[in-house]
Amino acid sequence: GDSVTQMEGPVTLSEEAFLTINCTYTATGYPSLFWYVQYPGEGLQLLLKATKADDKGSNKGFEATYRKETTSFHLEKGSVQVSDSAVYFCALSSNDMRFGAGTRLTVKP
Amino acid sequence: KAGVTQTPRYLIKTRGQQVTLSCSPISGHRSVSWYQQTPGQGLQFLFEYFSETQRNKGNFPGRFSGRQFSNSRSEMNVSTLELGDSALYLCASRPSGRKDEQFFGPGTRLTVL
Repeated sequence: GDSVTQMEGPVTLSEEAFLTINCTYTATGYPSLFWYVQYPGEGLQLLLKATKADDKGSNKGFEATYRKETTSFHLEKGSVQVSDSAVYFCALSSNDMRFGAGTRLTVKP
Repeated sequence: KAGVTQTPRYLIKTRGQQVTLSCSPISGHRSVSWYQQTPGQGLQFLFEYFSETQRNKGNFPGRFSGRQFSNSRSEMNVSTLELGDSALYLCASRPSGRKDEQFFGPGTRLTVL
């Protein structure tokens, strides 16, 4: 069945460092792809999405490009802030929603 | 538009009891899904309801059940609670399309003593 694999954490970076969180997927159809973020004590919030191949989703300085040839949707940010500390989930939606295991990011000042 | 709301936000129960959690989706959303989140197992899918019918079910025992009402509000019930049921239970709603993103509520934190 459809599935999502994302890099395991935790990831610890210094403020202003470059961030990459890898995400690959397996799907029989043409899913939509998402990145969600979860701050402590809260539910998941949609960070960005892409609905077809070569689409780039972006929000709050985060970007991810839907790469069909490599079945990937890696999350990137050029300069992270302390406020970006959270857990990040990659997800796909086809017949069902499938989530990755989550990657905990800690940004230190 | 109001977001997804879940009640109660926090709940403490003892082993063997049962519990009912409630979720009100975003107005106009007909699909409601439930997830269990624990530090050890991560985010696990429980079930999805669409137009009062269960559309998908995850790999959980029969003690976990749910339903959806005609106004799309949903409840999930856990009977004969076990210590391992302590978790954050998240509800998410989305419009009809299966490729749409889900919108999550803040969750209900259940502690079983």
